[in-house]
Amino acid sequence: GQQVMQIPQYQHVQEGEDFTTYCNSSTTLSNIQWYKQRPGGHPVFLIQLVKSGEVKKQKRLTFQFGEAKKNSSLHITATQTTDVGTYFCASMGNYGGSQGNLIFGKGTKLSVKP
Amino acid sequence: DAMVIQNPRYQVTQFGKPVTLSCSQTLNHNVMYWYQQKSSQAPKLLFHYYDKDFNNEADTPDNFQSRRPNTSFCFLDIRSPGLGDAAMYLCATSSLAGERDEQFFGPGTRLTVL
Repeated sequence: GQQVMQIPQYQHVQEGEDFTTYCNSSTTLSNIQWYKQRPGGHPVFLIQLVKSGEVKKQKRLTFQFGEAKKNSSLHITATQTTDVGTYFCASMGNYGGSQGNLIFGKGTKLSVKP
Repeated sequence: DAMVIQNPRYQVTQFGKPVTLSCSQTLNHNVMYWYQQKSSQAPKLLFHYYDKDFNNEADTPDNFQSRRPNTSFCFLDIRSPGLGDAAMYLCATSSLAGERDEQFFGPGTRLTVL
């Protein structure tokens, strides 16, 4: 079945350093979504990428979707303590009976040292 | 504000004692999902409703059942909770409207099994 691999599993950075998490799939993805889950919280939608090579920015966050639509990345510039949490990529299932289902990566847990 | 509400936020039950978790939404979304999330893991989809159509994931144990009496409400029934069922249970909704496929998560119910 469709799988989304996400690395790294953990990332510890000093405040002000940059952070990147990567998602990869062996199959072409219809889209990629990114969610953030704060400690003790629930996943919150950040963005959806649909088009090949798409790049979207939200303030210090930059999201990319690969040309082949098999990989994606989330880059945070100059991390702040408010960026702490687990970042999940997720892709919509594209096989019968599973349309609308999200296949989640395992997540990257970001910790930021002040 | 339109939102996804889960009750209770914390639930303690005894081994083998049935428990019901509830979810309601004011978003009028046609799809509702139930996820199980264990510590440091990604959310794992148990099942979802597309309107009244129930879709069970292949690896969801028979111990887990769901009901959706109307658009706004969805319930998760755990018939005989085991120690391994202790987890956060997340409800989510989606409208699957064109490019807006994001899922809106509720705050979750943390289940403890004694």
